Amino acid sequence: LAKTTQPISMDSYEGQEVNITCSHNNIATNDYITWYQQFPSQGPRFIIQGYKTKVTNEVASLFIPADRKSSTLSLPRVSLSDTAVYYCLVGDQAGTALIFGKGTTLSVSS
Amino acid sequence: DTAVSQTPKYLVTQMGNDKSIKCEQNLGHDTMYWYKQDSKKFLKIMFSYNNKELIINETVPNRFSPKSPDKAHLNLHINSLELGDSAVYFCASSQHLAASISTYEQYFGPGTRLTVT
Repeated sequence: LAKTTQPISMDSYEGQEVNITCSHNNIATNDYITWYQQFPSQGPRFIIQGYKTKVTNEVASLFIPADRKSSTLSLPRVSLSDTAVYYCLVGDQAGTALIFGKGTTLSVSS
Repeated sequence: DTAVSQTPKYLVTQMGNDKSIKCEQNLGHDTMYWYKQDSKKFLKIMFSYNNKELIINETVPNRFSPKSPDKAHLNLHINSLELGDSAVYFCASSQHLAASISTYEQYFGPGTRLTVT
């Protein structure tokens, strides 16, 4: 089964850039990498998705090296409202299962 | 307008009981999912339905039975509830089920917190 590894927690201050890295050594050739954000008592919410190189949208950037065995979610200038759990998601080699990473709890302080 | 809704939001019941959780999506999506999130926040898929057809059935006790009466609904019935079933259950939907099913953005419901005593 594909397995992802993320840091359990990260701390930051408002205005800083935060980078969260996810390792996914067994990613399948046709799998995309997706990141979700989850606030307490809510369901996860899609942030960004990519296949290779770099993807940027209005809230984050996603960096994926050529071997695709890892990915880095970059949150520019975080605010208190970015305090949440961030999940990295890839399909497994069978292409039939969705496995979330254990999530990274990001705490942003003022 | 709620995109993915679940009922009930909270469910407290005793061991051995049978309960159901309902899910509805108004996004016109073809694929729906059930996830279980345990106390350590580990989120794992249980089932997936595409056009009312079961596509994914992970290693879940057969006490759990999903039912999809139509594309917009995916209900979860649990028989003989056990203490270990206590968790938050999330329903989700996506537009399609791709060859690599991580391709499509999933929309999650607010969750149902199940407590078995």
